[in-house]
Amino acid sequence: DQQVKQNSPSLSVQEGRISILNCDYTNSMFDYFLWYKKYPAEGPTFLISISSIKDKNEDGRFTVFLNKSAKHLSLHIVPSQPGDSAVYFCAGTQGGSEKLVFGKGTKLTVNP
Amino acid sequence: GEEVAQTPKHLVRGEGQKAKLYCAPIKGHSYVFWYQQVLKNEFKFLISFQNENVFDETGMPKERFSAKCLPNSPCSLEIQATKLEDSAVYFCASSQRDRGSDTQYFGPGTRLTVL
Repeated sequence: DQQVKQNSPSLSVQEGRISILNCDYTNSMFDYFLWYKKYPAEGPTFLISISSIKDKNEDGRFTVFLNKSAKHLSLHIVPSQPGDSAVYFCAGTQGGSEKLVFGKGTKLTVNP
Repeated sequence: GEEVAQTPKHLVRGEGQKAKLYCAPIKGHSYVFWYQQVLKNEFKFLISFQNENVFDETGMPKERFSAKCLPNSPCSLEIQATKLEDSAVYFCASSQRDRGSDTQYFGPGTRLTVL
């Protein structure tokens, strides 16, 4: 029973263009969603989050969009940079437990 | 400290031996979480603490796994009688749990290899 799904294992984009990473969820009790970036041999690094009562949150080059009716969120990176190349994880969390439920990740490659 | 610290970085154990992993959360954070990354990208929640109290242990295997967070000591995750399938990277995360914030900050992980 996978509550958070990232259906694209990999994505390749050109430097300077937009990267769009997608995430779907099934648990309507999630009240926060978070995106983490992970480099090999390191722990996940927090990028950006969004409350379930919002539909957009922006932080610099990163914007997360939430469509609750579709149970879908996406992370937009504009402009993409080679240093953004990493595995990106989407996660949901539910009040009362606080544990993160992760998707399987999408490996982003930004080509110079 | 300003970062979550985990020790050791790598741990190798023979099957049946004990393994103990440590985590020092960010100073001022009252929640600690343990996750296991077995397959390449699959994270599994194990247990969480609010200060020294177990908050959620729904992910902990019933046997062989135990964890503690004692005052003025690093948190620990212990695996008795390790098995091959325990080979994984174990991540610790901490959070402040301010109202409206769920951000967890992760340590670099401990890679456990069971031979």
